[in-house]
Amino acid sequence: QLVLTQSPSASASLGASVKLTCTLSSEHSNYAIAWHQQQVEKGPRYLMKVNNDGSHTKGDGIPDRFSGSSSGAERYLIISSLQSDDEADYYCQTWDTGLYVFGSGTKVTVL
Amino acid sequence: EVQLVQSGAEVKKPGESLRISCQESGYNLNNYYISWVRQKPGKGLEWMGRIDPIDSKINYSPSFQGHVTISRDKSISKVYLQWRSLKASDTAMYYCARHPRGQSGHFDHWGQGTLVTVSS
Repeated sequence: QLVLTQSPSASASLGASVKLTCTLSSEHSNYAIAWHQQQVEKGPRYLMKVNNDGSHTKGDGIPDRFSGSSSGAERYLIISSLQSDDEADYYCQTWDTGLYVFGSGTKVTVL
Repeated sequence: EVQLVQSGAEVKKPGESLRISCQESGYNLNNYYISWVRQKPGKGLEWMGRIDPIDSKINYSPSFQGHVTISRDKSISKVYLQWRSLKASDTAMYYCARHPRGQSGHFDHWGQGTLVTVSS
């Protein structure tokens, strides 16, 4: 079964960096994923696609502060120089033939 | 500019029917699926189903199969999500999102969402 696992929460200070992890089910460890940001009371926004080799393709207008990487079954979203409006829920998403799956989301708090 | 514009908020009673829409523009519609995603209050994102732009073939999540109907009208570039008989548990925000036909399934543009409230 295709499953994505995310930690419920993460926090870091204003101006610091935070690294979010999305873990694929073991039999799907080579799959690509996408990261989406959802600020309070707003709809999701596509951030980037992260491939198995760590390469990533960002959406339109996504700042350089956002980057992605990969290691084994783990896919990462790194946010550097944290700003107050980075406080949001972050969801990872993946896909298989005719099937799409979301992780449960990580709530990022900027201290 | 790529745009997915959804219809406005709805308030319905249990047992009533409803159809909400997602208007596509700004890109070649034949190159992208449209999916619907549910978000219940305070909860995460759940994929409901997708529709193919070429043959209108639909794949539903097993969790939603039989409870909703996805359709499209290519002549006016709209995709629909429909309920025959709403339940209070259908109260949620619903989003449409596009993703490319082909091997990659990342949702790269989202609609603004349609809030559906079902209450007696």
